[in-house]
Amino acid sequence: AQTVTQSQPEMSVQEAETVTLSCTYDTSESDYYLFWYKQPPSRQMILVIRQEAYKQQNATENRFSVNFQKAAKSFSLKISDSQLGDAAMYFCAYRSGTGANSKLTFGKGITLSVRP
Amino acid sequence: GAGVSQSPRYKVAKRGQDVALRCDPISGHVSLFWYQQALGQGPEFLTYFQNEAQLDKSGLPSDRFFAERPEGSVSTLKIQRTQQEDSAVYLCASSLDRATEAFFGQGTRLTVV
Repeated sequence: AQTVTQSQPEMSVQEAETVTLSCTYDTSESDYYLFWYKQPPSRQMILVIRQEAYKQQNATENRFSVNFQKAAKSFSLKISDSQLGDAAMYFCAYRSGTGANSKLTFGKGITLSVRP
Repeated sequence: GAGVSQSPRYKVAKRGQDVALRCDPISGHVSLFWYQQALGQGPEFLTYFQNEAQLDKSGLPSDRFFAERPEGSVSTLKIQRTQQEDSAVYLCASSLDRATEAFFGQGTRLTVV
């Protein structure tokens, strides 16, 4: 079974600064996808960024980028130029690339606060 | 609709009561998922539908939990004889197919008293 570990329960960053959120995972599969989701108090999960395991290039979406280390099974999220609206819970998630069920396996999440 | 819609947003149930939670996925989305999110935790998979077929129900915690999607669109998650440990946010997600991005609803917060 796949597992996703987020060992930092909370982090804080100064507005306009950069912060990195850590995530490790365990799998025996070679075909999979990794995601970072943001969950604000409204509870709706919002996809931040996605990485295909077969791609060596790290994904980037505007201020958000990942550091994908496949051999180390590490998938960290970097948020640059942090904004007050970035404050939320962030979840790392894994999805198998094979099989009929494309369910997500989530980590426990990390609460990010942004100081003005 | 524009997004995944869940109702009710909040539900308070007395222990032992049956509840039904509704999910309206994005029109045309084949795949539908239910997740349970306990306070301060990440969502955990409950069950998965492809159209009207329930292909995976391995995450349902007990036989008190039942989900259906009879016409391949709206889905209902039913919990019978609710217990305090059922208190959680129940999230529904849908995707166009198994390979594409899943879109989430805002969830139903269930509190069993």
